[in-house]
Amino acid sequence: AQSVTQPDIHITVSEGASLELRCNYSYGATPYLFWYVQSPGQGLQLLLKYFSGDTLVQGIKGFEAEFKRSQSSFNLRKPSVHWSDAAEYFCAVGENEAAGNKLTFGGGTRVLVKP
Amino acid sequence: DTEVTQTPKHLVMGMTNKKSLKCEQHMGHRAMYWYKQKAKKPPELMFVYSYEKLSINESVPSRFSPECPNSSLLNLHLHALQPEDSALYLCASSQTVWGVEGVVTEAFFGQGTRLTVV
Repeated sequence: AQSVTQPDIHITVSEGASLELRCNYSYGATPYLFWYVQSPGQGLQLLLKYFSGDTLVQGIKGFEAEFKRSQSSFNLRKPSVHWSDAAEYFCAVGENEAAGNKLTFGGGTRVLVKP
Repeated sequence: DTEVTQTPKHLVMGMTNKKSLKCEQHMGHRAMYWYKQKAKKPPELMFVYSYEKLSINESVPSRFSPECPNSSLLNLHLHALQPEDSALYLCASSQTVWGVEGVVTEAFFGQGTRLTVV
């Protein structure tokens, strides 16, 4: 069974500083990997995805992530954080079952941005 | 239009009530999903519909009954819920089931329905 671990429950960062969110996955085959962001009381918005190809993936809002197979990681980064980036971030791994798609989410990392 | 629309946004219901959550997408997606999200937790998959047929039921209690009347609509019928069923219910859709026609696409999520069972 696949699993996703986000080691950091909370991260506090100053506005303008860089941000890195960690994600480790456990999955036997080549994974489909995603990062979603969720503002309080809202749905999930896709930031970026990795299916194959270039291991450095660019997303929306200035985010990027790097897939490292040897480390089973898919860490999310942003060079300069804005106050509007304060939210909950979820890493997810997708499994292609014969019956359908299953997304398994990590526990989430809550990002707080200090002025 | 890359929107998944869920109604209502908020719902309060008693344990003896019957209510329904609705989800609509007009992106031509053929896979639709229901997720349940408790406070400060990640979303958990409940059901997957592929081409309007139920393909995954993650051992969800029968008091939750999904329905896919057509390719654009997904309903979740609720009956005799318990207070612990209070949560944010998220609907999502994706172009198709992964692997079909070699397609792999992301899931688009709605804003959710905040359900409170009293």
